[in-house]
Amino acid sequence: ELKVEQNPLFLSMQEGKNYTIYCNYSTTSDRLYWYRQDPGKSLESLFVLLSNGAVKQEGRLMASLDTKARLSTLHITAAVHDLSATYFCAEDQNQGAQKLVFGQGTRLTINP
Amino acid sequence: GAVVSQHPSWVICKSGTSVKIECRSLDFQATTMFWYRQFPKQSLMLMATSNEGSKATYEQGVEKDKFLINHASLTLSTLTVTSAHPEDSSFYICSALDSRNTEAFFGQGTRLTVV
Repeated sequence: ELKVEQNPLFLSMQEGKNYTIYCNYSTTSDRLYWYRQDPGKSLESLFVLLSNGAVKQEGRLMASLDTKARLSTLHITAAVHDLSATYFCAEDQNQGAQKLVFGQGTRLTINP
Repeated sequence: GAVVSQHPSWVICKSGTSVKIECRSLDFQATTMFWYRQFPKQSLMLMATSNEGSKATYEQGVEKDKFLINHASLTLSTLTVTSAHPEDSSFYICSALDSRNTEAFFGQGTRLTVV
């Protein structure tokens, strides 16, 4: 059974701090996606990681992929309140077919 | 960028009635679209894969007679929730695969409330 597990599921942190969200997945897929979801909204695509060792950065967020360890990380640097949201990682079940299996989500709250 | 439009954004319906949700790719052709369901404070679960011109493929545990999917054109897929009940209340999100890229793009979602 395909499984994507995120941790932590809940994260409360102070502005200015750094933290990492972990995403473990079950297959040998080399495609991993990160999304942000604000309350009541749909998903916003953050990163698409398509190969082992891929690292992408956008602002205070950086994502990486280790296909051998079946692990992706989303690192937050010097967090700001605007980054408060729920973050999902998702694995492509079928190499490019975009049939996604999502992790449970990490609800991130950043306090001033 | 690729835009996927879902309509309506929210709908309230009476128990026993049917509701149709549309998913359109506005600036690209999508041979494949996906329908997900998200209950409050939970993750997204894939319900079905919709392929243009053919029958949808449903995930295990999803009733195909209850959730009717039609993908009649390269830019439109519809999900009809038939004989809706309160337990069908959820956030339904579609995504459309842009084969020019390596990514599917998500619609805005439809919040269905069955009363």
